[in-house]
Amino acid sequence: NAGVTQTPKFQVLKTGQSMTLQCAQDMNHEYMSWYRQDPGMGLRLIHYSVGAGITDQGEVPNGYNVSRSTTEDFPLRLLSAAPSQTSVYFCASSWTGRGGTDTQYFGPGTRLTVL
Amino acid sequence: AQSVAQPEDQVNVAEGNPLTVKCTYSVSGNPYLFWYVQYPNRGLQFLLKYITGDNLVKGSYGFEAEFNKSQTSFHLKKPSALVSDSALYFCAVRDILTGGGNKLTFGTGTQLKVEL
Repeated sequence: NAGVTQTPKFQVLKTGQSMTLQCAQDMNHEYMSWYRQDPGMGLRLIHYSVGAGITDQGEVPNGYNVSRSTTEDFPLRLLSAAPSQTSVYFCASSWTGRGGTDTQYFGPGTRLTVL
Repeated sequence: AQSVAQPEDQVNVAEGNPLTVKCTYSVSGNPYLFWYVQYPNRGLQFLLKYITGDNLVKGSYGFEAEFNKSQTSFHLKKPSALVSDSALYFCAVRDILTGGGNKLTFGTGTQLKVEL
């Protein structure tokens, strides 16, 4: 198993540009989520999905969009990039989103810089 | 909302000595607690979790954590530190979302430095 994969590893955008961060998992996990990591703030949840066709907002959803058309993929779209979105983005997955005892597995991250 | 606190930004320890990375939690209901480690320019790797049962939880790479309900703590420990243990460690707690899903609420992280 490749686990959770993310592309690209690095990206530089100009303010106002849009882009999609890709996330895929091959573990047949129902639950997938996106976090951003900023210095001194730990990780904060952006959006999550408890299954194909179902998405919901996390703590910091503004400026981001998601969709979940398949179990495997959970792309994160930046609609109009802003410097405040400079961060490291992590995708995570687990068996289910219910109960909350399942271990979440993280991808290697995408380092995004918005100029 | 659930929360965890990691009171130390950095912990320094000599190789071969025991190490402790501290975490305290604040939850309503039963706490589901996790430890993750992050090596430079890498994603988070799961170390261990406490759901219920024994207060001493054993995990990967020789790490263990002690759950203490009266002190609301979940400290990460290792009997003998290695230089290769140097990394950023995160404590996390399961939090329920209004939409029915769940998330991990992370602490701010503790940088562990193990020196020769």
